[in-house]
Amino acid sequence: GQQLNQSPQSMFIQEGEDVSMNCTSSSIFNTWLWYKQDPGEGPVLLIALYKAGELTSNGRLTAQFGITRKDSFLNISASIPSDVGIYFCAGQGGTYKYIFGTGTRLKVLA
Amino acid sequence: DSGVTQTPKHLITATGQRVTLRCSPRSGDLSVYWYQQSLDQGLQFLIQYYNGEERAKGNILERFSAQQFPDLHSELNLSSLELGDSALYFCASSVGGGNKDTQYFGPGTRLTVL
Repeated sequence: GQQLNQSPQSMFIQEGEDVSMNCTSSSIFNTWLWYKQDPGEGPVLLIALYKAGELTSNGRLTAQFGITRKDSFLNISASIPSDVGIYFCAGQGGTYKYIFGTGTRLKVLA
Repeated sequence: DSGVTQTPKHLITATGQRVTLRCSPRSGDLSVYWYQQSLDQGLQFLIQYYNGEERAKGNILERFSAQQFPDLHSELNLSSLELGDSALYFCASSVGGGNKDTQYFGPGTRLTVL
């Protein structure tokens, strides 16, 4: 099925470091969502973005809706061990359905 | 806790069998979405219902079907199961059924087909 390109696929970082990941699409989206998924659990919504250029924060997390409407970025500042998991972006365009990114697997080394 | 509930949490069955997965959306949400997630894969959209009516269809096999009942809970029926159907099946719900709707996910049902 159709998916967004999400990068990096995985990353190992030291505790305290900042993290950046992004999603890109060939299609224009009207909404971007960022989720975190722990193993065997359902995705948990982190941040929702509804307008091009929008920058939204949720604690140590900040996400931006790209100005071209074809990309989005998620940054995590001062990472901690509990940040480990898989981060998914999801975009919604002219149809009702969301398309999900391939995921970024984050591992934090204490 | 997202407020979306799914049952059962785990399901083990044999090839050729049929199973039903159940989802109750968050209170007040009218839309239900079903997703399949295979091992180490992303989420594949299967189907969406809004207030009892099918709203959007994704990569759902003909062996699979779903419905949303008047009380807004939804069931996903998987029949003639194959080994490759083993996956996590997630339900999500949202208030409306259109653009800019935020989806909240349930804990998932892990299906194992032996």
